[in-house]
Amino acid sequence: DVKVTQSSRYLVKRTGEKVFLECVQDMDHENMFWYRQDPGLGLRLIYFSYDVKMKEKGDIPEGYSVSREKKERFSLILESASTNQTSMYLCASSRDSGVSPLHFGNGTRLTVT
Amino acid sequence: AQRVTQPEKLLSVFKGAPVELKCNYSYSGSPELFWYVQYSRQRLQLLLRHISRESIKGFTADLNKGETSFHLKKPFAQEEDSAMYYCALLSGYSTLTFGKGTMLLVSP
Repeated sequence: DVKVTQSSRYLVKRTGEKVFLECVQDMDHENMFWYRQDPGLGLRLIYFSYDVKMKEKGDIPEGYSVSREKKERFSLILESASTNQTSMYLCASSRDSGVSPLHFGNGTRLTVT
Repeated sequence: AQRVTQPEKLLSVFKGAPVELKCNYSYSGSPELFWYVQYSRQRLQLLLRHISRESIKGFTADLNKGETSFHLKKPFAQEEDSAMYYCALLSGYSTLTFGKGTMLLVSP
C-alpha cells in the first residue's frame, strides 16, 4: 500500500517566517504534488514535480517554492509566511501515467499568525 | 480552460434515499474524470474513475460528453457514505483539476 507521509500534522508559524513542509512517499512514484485545501474553494494545485530536481508551477504558485532533491521527497517552502497562507496543505504522489490515481498524505494544517 | 463545477456545497439525504452528486466539466480534449472522497479524519482517496467503469461501495458515475457531466450516483445511501466528495479532471500530464467539493450528509 502506498504511503505518503507529511512530517507535521499541525504547524503554527508567525508572519514573515520561512516555513518548510515536508512530504515523503515510499512507492518510487515519479510524480509528486502540493495542493492546498480550503473550505468552499476545494483543492488548488500549488506546484508539482515529474522527476528529481524538476518542478512546475500549478495554479497558485505565488508565495511558494518547492524542492525535490530526492525522488521520494518533495518539500514545499513558504519564503515569508503570510496570514492568507493559513490552510490545509496536501501532498500527493502518483506513478508516471496520466490516469494513475493520486495518493494523498494526511495533510498539514498550517496556521500563520 | 479546464474547469470542474460541483454546484452543491452540501447535500443532505436520509438513509436509504437515492443520492446524486453533480459534476460538470469544461475541457477541450477527451476528458478523463475521477471522483475522490474524504471521510472524517481520513486522507483523501480515489473512489472511482470513469475509464474503469466500476462500481465502488455502490457508487457509479457515467460520463456524459453531450452534457459534459460526470455525476456520482448511489441508489440507497448509507450513513457511512457521509463524507466530502470531489470531482476531478485530468487537466495536464498527470495533474488533476478539482471541483470545490460537495459534502454529503446521510441522516438515519
